[in-house]
Amino acid sequence: ELKVEQNPLFLSMQEGKNYTIYCNYSTTSDRLYWYRQDPGKSLESLFVLLSNGAVKQEGRLMASLDTKARLSTLHITAAVHDLSATYFCAVDPRLNNYGQNFVFGPGTRLSVLP
Amino acid sequence: ETGVTQTPRHLVMGMTNKKSLKCEQHLGHNAMYWYKQSAKKPLELMFVYNFKEQTENNSVPSRFSPECPNSSHLFLHLHTLQPEDSALYLCASSQGGGDIYGYTFGSGTRLTVV
Repeated sequence: ELKVEQNPLFLSMQEGKNYTIYCNYSTTSDRLYWYRQDPGKSLESLFVLLSNGAVKQEGRLMASLDTKARLSTLHITAAVHDLSATYFCAVDPRLNNYGQNFVFGPGTRLSVLP
Repeated sequence: ETGVTQTPRHLVMGMTNKKSLKCEQHLGHNAMYWYKQSAKKPLELMFVYNFKEQTENNSVPSRFSPECPNSSHLFLHLHTLQPEDSALYLCASSQGGGDIYGYTFGSGTRLTVV
């Protein structure tokens, strides 16, 4: 059974600081997704990582994937308050050709303080 | 607007009531999903439909009954629920097994069982 872990689960950081969120998963996969969820809202797609060594950047967020280590990172540079949200990683185990039965991590709740 | 519409946004129901959640996607996707998001728990996959056929039932109690009349619509029929069923219910869609873009989520239905 595929398990996805995130670390930390809660993160409180000051504006202007850098930090990294880690996503580990237990079985082989070469597709990993990052989502953002604001309180009371739905999940919004942030990044799609489709191969070993993939790196994507959008604004102050950068995501990377190491399929050999079964690890993805979401790096935050010079955090601002608007980044406060819960961040989820999701792994596509690609067990079959039907649908995409993602397994989600527990989420990292990020609070950026002034 | 995400392209996936869920109604109602909020629902309060008694344990003896019957209600239905509706999801509609305007993206031409072939796969649709129901997820449950409870406080302090990871996102839980409930059901998966591909081309209107159910391909996954993740050991969900029978008081939850899905229906997918076509590739654009997905329902979740609820009856004799328990207070622990209170949660955010998220619908998502995707193109299918070979898709690389991942899920598009609806805004969710916040369900409270009293």
